[in-house]
Amino acid sequence: DARVTQTPRHKVTEMGQEVTMRCQPILGHNTVFWYRQTMMQGLELLAYFRNRAPLDDSGMPKDRFSAEMPDATLATLKIQPSEPRDSAVYFCASGLVLGQKNIQYFGAGTRLSVL
Amino acid sequence: AQKITQTQPGMFVQEKEAVTLDCTYDTSDQSYGLFWYKQPSSGEMIFLIYQGSYDEQNATEGRYSLNFQKARKSANLVISASQLGDSAMYFCAMKTSYDKVIFGPGTSLSVIP
Repeated sequence: DARVTQTPRHKVTEMGQEVTMRCQPILGHNTVFWYRQTMMQGLELLAYFRNRAPLDDSGMPKDRFSAEMPDATLATLKIQPSEPRDSAVYFCASGLVLGQKNIQYFGAGTRLSVL
Repeated sequence: AQKITQTQPGMFVQEKEAVTLDCTYDTSDQSYGLFWYKQPSSGEMIFLIYQGSYDEQNATEGRYSLNFQKARKSANLVISASQLGDSAMYFCAMKTSYDKVIFGPGTSLSVIP
């Protein structure tokens, strides 16, 4: 049963600390997405990759956030330095583009609390 | 601008009845895809159903069907024979050009015994 794996599931940290979230996409998928979900903003797209190349990170605060895919089995989202307003659930999703079809399969999310 | 609108923040339905969750979208693309996801209280996002803009038939997946009206730019989700486990947030989403997917604000569905 293939699934997207995200670690850690929960993270509590202090303001100013670096946070790294990891995602293992489903083997064979060629797109990876990072989303942030909050009550106020809903689901926001932060970044996405196709064939490991970043295609759009316009939704990401550039001064503190960075997203990378060092290889096909790992995507990372880093926040440095973290701030209380970054507290949210961060989802990674992967998908396989087939024509106009790109169903995204989500990981369980990382619940981040910045104190 | 590309946008998804879900006008029903919350919905109630009696168990075993059918319910329709509304979704309208805005895009100038000719080729696009529409999705519905379910998010139960556990927080996971579960893919339910997909409709391509060129698909002639409305998509169906078990108790889920998508009422696709292209001219009206609507993609409503119909859940037949509601079950208590259907209580969740439901998100409509659209795949735009370059594979980008945008989500609507969601509708909270509560199934009443």
